[in-house]
Amino acid sequence: DGGITQSPKYLFRKEGQNVTLSCEQNLNHDAMYWYRQDPGQGLRLIYYSQIVNDFQKGDIAEGYSVSREKKESFPLTVTSAQKNPTAFYLCASSMVWWVGGDSSGANVLTFGAGSRLTVL
Amino acid sequence: AQKVTQAQTEISVVEKEDVTLDCVYETRDTTYYLFWYKQPPSGELVFLIRRNSFDEQNEISGRYSWNFQKSTSSFNFTITASQVVDSAVYFCALSESNFGNEKLTFGTGTRLTIIP
Repeated sequence: DGGITQSPKYLFRKEGQNVTLSCEQNLNHDAMYWYRQDPGQGLRLIYYSQIVNDFQKGDIAEGYSVSREKKESFPLTVTSAQKNPTAFYLCASSMVWWVGGDSSGANVLTFGAGSRLTVL
Repeated sequence: AQKVTQAQTEISVVEKEDVTLDCVYETRDTTYYLFWYKQPPSGELVFLIRRNSFDEQNEISGRYSWNFQKSTSSFNFTITASQVVDSAVYFCALSESNFGNEKLTFGTGTRLTIIP
């Protein structure tokens, strides 16, 4: 079945360490996204990518980095510069408008199961 | 700038009662999309509905219904005859229609608890 796989599900980090969260999709979606979820704050966009080798900052990109070397993969690195990294991280993907002229699936996000990062 | 407000932080109802989750949005676009997602305890958000700004018809899907009113910038979600499996956090979201700009702005969510 097609879907999004995030790993690890739980991750513990010591202060000062970088960690990388994996996100892989087999939906053939062009666009991928990283959201951060904190209690009472909903989901906030960290980074997004609409095509391989290109990505844009979202609302809270500071202290994070991403890469998009393959269509299927969009890993997120939480760097030591991120002051409050403890959170639940959600990866998502979607079609984009220009695929075949069919907009029915565009901006309908499919989410992974999330990765919970705790800084010790 | 876009904004989505879900004023109800938590709601608890007894099973089989009807419940309405409110969503109010702000946007300067004339064309936009509205969404509802469900986040069960497992954590994965599940897509429920997408509505474009030109379609104000109410939608019904089983026990779920949605009321879209542009005049009040609201997109409310009603669950009829609630069940314990409906317990989850529900998010309303908004997307611009700009070509190639599919990112969503989410509300802060409403935690719904159905009491058996």
